[in-house]
Amino acid sequence: AQKVTQAQTEISVVEKEDVTLDCVYETRDTTYYLFWYKQPPSGELVFLIRRNSFDEQNEISGRYSWNFQKSTSSFNFTITASQVVDSAVYFCALSEGSQGGSEKLVFGKGTKLTVNP
Amino acid sequence: NAGVTQTPKFQVLKTGQSMTLQCAQDMNHEYMSWYRQDPGMGLRLIHYSVGAGITDQGEVPNGYNVSRSTTEDFPLRLLSAAPSQTSVYFCASTSGGSGQETQYFGPGTRLLVL
Repeated sequence: AQKVTQAQTEISVVEKEDVTLDCVYETRDTTYYLFWYKQPPSGELVFLIRRNSFDEQNEISGRYSWNFQKSTSSFNFTITASQVVDSAVYFCALSEGSQGGSEKLVFGKGTKLTVNP
Repeated sequence: NAGVTQTPKFQVLKTGQSMTLQCAQDMNHEYMSWYRQDPGMGLRLIHYSVGAGITDQGEVPNGYNVSRSTTEDFPLRLLSAAPSQTSVYFCASTSGGSGQETQYFGPGTRLLVL
């Protein structure tokens, strides 16, 4: 069965520090998709990125970057020069392609990031 | 487009009462899902639907019923609420079922069962 582990429950940093949020996944499928969502204090879930299992290229979007390593089953998320507005709970999630699955995400328990001024 | 809408935003129930959480989307998405979020547990899938008239159970379906009579609506019913159902409920929709499509989430319904 698929599983997503976010071992860091809470992280606290000072503004402008870089921070990496870890995500480790388990799946038997060869085709799968990984996602990151942000949940700010207001409570909504904001989609950040989707990555498929065949594309191991790292991705950068502004201050955000993602490192996907199939060898270690990890999909880590780094925020460079963190800002107070980055304070949120971040979720990593997995869907399996061969089972269909966009409607059946498996989520990690989330990492609460607090960025202090 | 309004996206995914959920009503009510907040509800208090007494044990044993019933209620329906409403979810609607205007993106013509075939796939819709319900999740619950509990502290320290992330989001867990309750039920999902791959099209009108088709529903299936997720990880935590007990105590909940769903139906999908139209593409737009996917209500979640609690027939006899229990304190263990106190949670935040999120509805989501997506355009396809291959696994690669992005799920879009509603704003959530916060439910308190006394």
